[in-house]
Amino acid sequence: ELKVEQNPLFLSMQEGKNYTIYCNYSTTSDRLYWYRQDPGKSLESLFVLLSNGAVKQEGRLMASLDTKARLSTLHITAAVHDLSATYFCAVDWEWAGSYQLTFGKGTKLSVIP
Amino acid sequence: DGGITQSPKYLFRKEGQNVTLSCEQNLNHDAMYWYRQDPGQGLRLIYYSQIVNDFQKGDIAEGYSVSREKKESFPLTVTSAQKNPTAFYLCASSSLPGLAGLREDTQYFGPGTRLTVL
Repeated sequence: ELKVEQNPLFLSMQEGKNYTIYCNYSTTSDRLYWYRQDPGKSLESLFVLLSNGAVKQEGRLMASLDTKARLSTLHITAAVHDLSATYFCAVDWEWAGSYQLTFGKGTKLSVIP
Repeated sequence: DGGITQSPKYLFRKEGQNVTLSCEQNLNHDAMYWYRQDPGQGLRLIYYSQIVNDFQKGDIAEGYSVSREKKESFPLTVTSAQKNPTAFYLCASSSLPGLAGLREDTQYFGPGTRLTVL
């Protein structure tokens, strides 16, 4: 069974600070995705990481993937209030020709002025 | 505009009643998925389909049923056998890997249906 673990699950940080969210997974996969969810809303795709060493950046967020360590990170630089949301990582895996995503439990980020 | 639509946005179910949640996509995606999200939790896979007239159970399929008669549509029925159906239901779609075996795109999600049991 594939397990995807995110930490921390809750993160309260001040505006202007930096922090990193970690996503560990238990099986071999070269594809990992990060999503953002605002309260009561659906999931919005942030990053698609398709190979070892992949790094993607968008604004104050940067995601990376280390497939050997089975670890992805989402780094937040100089946080602003608008980044407050829940962030999910999801690992793409294949079994018997079927393709699925397994999600972490999410990291609820609160950015405090 | 290409995207995924779900209806209704809110749904109320009485005890012992079956209800059907609609999901339609015009992204020409082969694969479609249904997830359930409980408060403060991640997403859990209910059913998925990679081709018309074929679908597979996910991790929590008991008490749910689906059909895939058209590529664009993947409705989910929550039956009376599902004892705790109150949750947020999300439908998603994606392309399948190409010849190189690589899927270069993510899953796209609909806006969700919030189901409450009265």
